[in-house]
Amino acid sequence: DAKTTQPTSMDCAEGRAANLPCNHSTISGNEYVYWYRQIHSQGPQYIIHGLKNNETNEMASLIITEDRKSSTLILPHATLRDTAVYYCIVIGYQKVTFGTGTKLQVIP
Amino acid sequence: SAVISQKPSRDICQRGTSLTIQCQVDSQVTMMFWYRQQPGQSLTLIATANQGSEATYESGFVIDKFPISRPNLTFSTLTVSNMSPEDSSIYLCSGKDRDGEQYFGPGTRLTVT
Repeated sequence: DAKTTQPTSMDCAEGRAANLPCNHSTISGNEYVYWYRQIHSQGPQYIIHGLKNNETNEMASLIITEDRKSSTLILPHATLRDTAVYYCIVIGYQKVTFGTGTKLQVIP
Repeated sequence: SAVISQKPSRDICQRGTSLTIQCQVDSQVTMMFWYRQQPGQSLTLIATANQGSEATYESGFVIDKFPISRPNLTFSTLTVSNMSPEDSSIYLCSGKDRDGEQYFGPGTRLTVT
């Protein structure tokens, strides 16, 4: 089974890029890497996902290493509203494994 | 994209009673899941809700405690049975569509006294 590990917390200056790492060394070939964030105990909000290629959307970029054992979520220009807990999640056909989450604090 | 709603949004229940949480998706999803988030912790998968058959439970969760129904592709219920204060959590459902994207409901905040 895939297990994901993330740093407990990170700080980032407003306007700078926030780089959030995640290790998923036991990921299987058919399991995707998803990133969600959760603000104030609301339901998790989808950010981005990928299988093996790097992905970019209007919110963030996802960099997945070639061996797929780790990934990095990049928020290119962090704002105060990006302060949240960010979860790295490995999702297979009928299996969802949440990371412990990184509490990102964006500092003015 | 799919929009997921849950009812109730919150409840305060007495020890020994049961609560049924409803999850409604506004479009068909291939899979539905139920999670629990205890205070200050990450989400934990309780079970996968299977349409028309018994749910698939994760280790540590059993049907007698958390019976789940999924009568169709857009609706599921989770019952928290014989509640104790340790069951105080946020319970979330999610749906996964054909493109593999997963959507979460807003959660149900349960407090057991």
